[in-house]
Amino acid sequence: GAVVSQHPSWVICKSGTSVKIECRSLDFQATTMFWYRQFPKQSLMLMATSNEGSKATYEQGVEKDKFLINHASLTLSTLTVTSAHPEDSSFYICSAIGRGLSGNTIYFGEGSWLTVV
Amino acid sequence: QKEVEQNSGPLSVPEGAIASLNCTYSDRGSQSFFWYRQYSGKSPELIMFIYSNGDKEDGRFTAQLNKASQYVSLLIRDSQPSDSATYLCANHRGGQNFVFGPGTRLSVLP
Repeated sequence: GAVVSQHPSWVICKSGTSVKIECRSLDFQATTMFWYRQFPKQSLMLMATSNEGSKATYEQGVEKDKFLINHASLTLSTLTVTSAHPEDSSFYICSAIGRGLSGNTIYFGEGSWLTVV
Repeated sequence: QKEVEQNSGPLSVPEGAIASLNCTYSDRGSQSFFWYRQYSGKSPELIMFIYSNGDKEDGRFTAQLNKASQYVSLLIRDSQPSDSATYLCANHRGGQNFVFGPGTRLSVLP
């Protein structure tokens, strides 16, 4: 199946700083990528849909000025958590739509653990 | 009504038993359905997809789809402790429109 890579796998940052997480589709072009956040023992929460060459679409309640998404190419989307605070500590996961055996299929990156201290 | 519903569990089954995970969806326009497995602290991984009514088997996994009842299930035969995870159901309504359920936690007891 298609491969989606996320980097970094984990990051620790100081409160008030910004952190960038990259999501790459390694063997296919992804016009659409998704960003999720997941707190321990909770469900995936869709944060935003990232479309190549256009502004991301954010879910209700997600601050677009705090979670900056850039999808500058068909293989790369980035999520920047700006002015991070301890409550932003979470597991961030990206996914991309790739061509699977059934047609369009969602493939997930490995996820990125963010800890804000 | 949520678009994709799953019992949150936990569903506990003894090792070697059949685990049955269920999912209902509201959009009759859904075209295909996916089951993902998510281990604690890891991202989801695709197990199976199904788009035709009936059963689809892959190893110990069988996906069942009933579009008339808007119901899709995943059966895991000979359950192993390593199958303990959260199982996510998702449907695809075309284009970039994927909707995930909240997931069911499965615990296979040795």
